[in-house]
Amino acid sequence: NAGVMQNPRHLVRRRGQEARLRCSPMKGHSHVYWYRQLPEEGLKFMVYLQKENIIDESGMPKERFSAEFPKEGPSILRIQQVVRGDSAAYFCASSPAATSEETQYFGPGTRLLVL
Amino acid sequence: DQQVKQNSPSLSVQEGRISILNCDYTNSMFDYFLWYKKYPAEGPTFLISISSIKDKNEDGRFTVFLNKSAKHLSLHIVPSQPGDSAVYFCAADNAGGTSYGKLTFGQGTILTVHP
Repeated sequence: NAGVMQNPRHLVRRRGQEARLRCSPMKGHSHVYWYRQLPEEGLKFMVYLQKENIIDESGMPKERFSAEFPKEGPSILRIQQVVRGDSAAYFCASSPAATSEETQYFGPGTRLLVL
Repeated sequence: DQQVKQNSPSLSVQEGRISILNCDYTNSMFDYFLWYKKYPAEGPTFLISISSIKDKNEDGRFTVFLNKSAKHLSLHIVPSQPGDSAVYFCAADNAGGTSYGKLTFGQGTILTVHP
C-alpha cells in the first residue's frame, strides 16, 4: 500500500508564475489536508477537502490560493502569481476519516522556492 | 497567536538516557494531542497520541504525559537512540468539536541523540 505521494518534490518558480502542487492520498483515504511550513516554523493548516468538496479552507489565504480534490485524480493546490513569501514546504496528509483520532499520513512535501 | 508552543528549539541527549520534549497549549478546547517525528526532506510521521480523558499513554519507548490543568504535555523517550534524532512536533485538535481533524502544530524541537 503506497503512502501519500506528492509531486513535484521541488519546484522553482519566478515571481508572478503559477505553482501547481499535487497530492495523491493513500488508497482508501478520501480526506485530504494541506499544510504549509515556513522556514523555522511548524506546520500550519491550510485546507481540508473531501472528494469534490472543500470542507474547511480557513487557513488558506483568500487570494491567489485555491485547492481541489476531483472525483478522479490527485488533490491540487494551486498558487497563482507567486511571491517570495510563498516559498515554503507544502505538505499534504490523508486520512480515512475526518478526525484527528484517525492517523493522518503525511506525504514527503513539495518545497517551493520563488525567485 | 501561537496556540501550541514548543519553547525548546533543540535538545541534545546521550544515547541510552531519557529525552523529554515539552509542549504547552493555550486553547482549552483542545482535547486530543499528538506527537509527530520528522526527518529532513520527509513528511511528519505519527508517533503517539493522547486524549484529554487520559493523563498518560505509553507505546514502547515512547510515553506521552498530559497535564490538563497546566495545559502542558510532554513526550518521554527511554532509552534514547541515535535514530531518534529528528524534529519532533507537538500537535493538538478539538476532536470533540467540528474541526474535521485540523491539527494545530507547535514549532518543533530538534532532538539530537549522541552515541
